[in-house]
Amino acid sequence: AQSVAQPEDQVNVAEGNPLTVKCTYSVSGNPYLFWYVQYPNRGLQFLLKYITGDNLVKGSYGFEAEFNKSQTSFHLKKPSALVSDSALYFCAVRLPHLYGQNFVFGPGTRLSVLP
Amino acid sequence: EADIYQTPRYLVIGTGKKITLECSQTMGHDKMYWYQQDPGMELHLIHYSYGVNSTEKGDLSSESTVSRIRTEHFPLTLESARPSHTSQYLCASSSIGQTSSGSGGYTFGSGTRLTVV
Repeated sequence: AQSVAQPEDQVNVAEGNPLTVKCTYSVSGNPYLFWYVQYPNRGLQFLLKYITGDNLVKGSYGFEAEFNKSQTSFHLKKPSALVSDSALYFCAVRLPHLYGQNFVFGPGTRLSVLP
Repeated sequence: EADIYQTPRYLVIGTGKKITLECSQTMGHDKMYWYQQDPGMELHLIHYSYGVNSTEKGDLSSESTVSRIRTEHFPLTLESARPSHTSQYLCASSSIGQTSSGSGGYTFGSGTRLTVV
């Protein structure tokens, strides 16, 4: 079955330290990978995507993610965390077929950046 | 700026009332979705649509219904609200086949937080 896992419900990091939010996936074919961020009482906002090409993709707000095909992972990273990065982060996979419910979200990881 | 609009942002309503949550997008996207999300929890797909006059139920069973009479409009209706319907409802849209332009993924509205008392 197609699935996306975010193994950590919660990640705590001190401001200024690097952060990593983990994502692994289990899908057939070559998926497209996304990260979204959700601030309190808001919808999800697009952060970055991997479609093809360079395994390291850069996105909004200084975030980047590294695609690792052999480990089927797409971890989100930032070199220096800010308190304002505290939010809920969702990894998502878009399956290569065009029709049907082709977007699968992970369960989300809550990031808390401590001052 | 949001290209997908949800109204109302917050709604408190009594048990048994009929409600409609509005969702409109100005991007001409073919596909639209409704997700239900308890605060800080994962997303559950409850309805989606490929285009006009197309609607499908999602992974999570829901007592709500949807319609897609116009491309830009995808309202969700609860005929008789109950306290168990208390949740946040997120609307999203995407374009079939779009990957290289824009985000390539979903665009989300700001959500409607529904409380049924």
